[in-house]
Amino acid sequence: LAKTTQPISMDSYEGQEVNITCSHNNIATNDYITWYQQFPSQGPRFIIQGYKTKVTNEVASLFIPADRKSSTLSLPRVSLSDTAVYYCLVGDMDTGRRALTFGSGTRLQVQP
Amino acid sequence: ETGVTQSPTHLIKTRGQQVTLRCSSQSGHNTVSWYQQALGQGPQFIFQYYREEENGRGNFPPRFSGLQFPNYSSELNVNALELDDSALYLCASSFGQGAYGYTFGSGTRLTVV
Repeated sequence: LAKTTQPISMDSYEGQEVNITCSHNNIATNDYITWYQQFPSQGPRFIIQGYKTKVTNEVASLFIPADRKSSTLSLPRVSLSDTAVYYCLVGDMDTGRRALTFGSGTRLQVQP
Repeated sequence: ETGVTQSPTHLIKTRGQQVTLRCSSQSGHNTVSWYQQALGQGPQFIFQYYREEENGRGNFPPRFSGLQFPNYSSELNVNALELDDSALYLCASSFGQGAYGYTFGSGTRLTVV
């Protein structure tokens, strides 16, 4: 299973852009990178997923360099409601068998 | 479109007992995976079922077992409960083995005393 490393915590202010980086040095060829958000006493919520280069959706962007050994989740103009734990997930997307590993999570605190 | 529902929401068991947790997958999803999340930690992958077959397993002992039914709902069974099994158990469903992301339920909080 691919191991991931993230900062334990980050602080930001409303309206700022937040970038959270995840390291996954032993990512496999078939692995995708997925980010989830989790609020207390709730299940994680899917944010974004990518394989290489850049992916953007209505809530975030995901930047993946060519070597794919890291990825960066970018949250534009955060608000107080973005205060949560963010997890980086690296998974084997090969057909037949899947292995999913959550990172240690980054606790983002957004201040007014 | 209904999401992932888990039951019960909370449960208290005694050490040595057995427990069954249930999960109804999101409509249209054929893959279910289970996770254990201890307080203050990230979710740990237990196993995954795709079309009623287990197709992935994390580092959990055999007393953690599961089933997926033809309607793609699932059960997690834990035998011989230990105090360290106290955690939030999360179920997640997806279509096509996670190729499009997973939808998680709110979990079952299991306390072993």
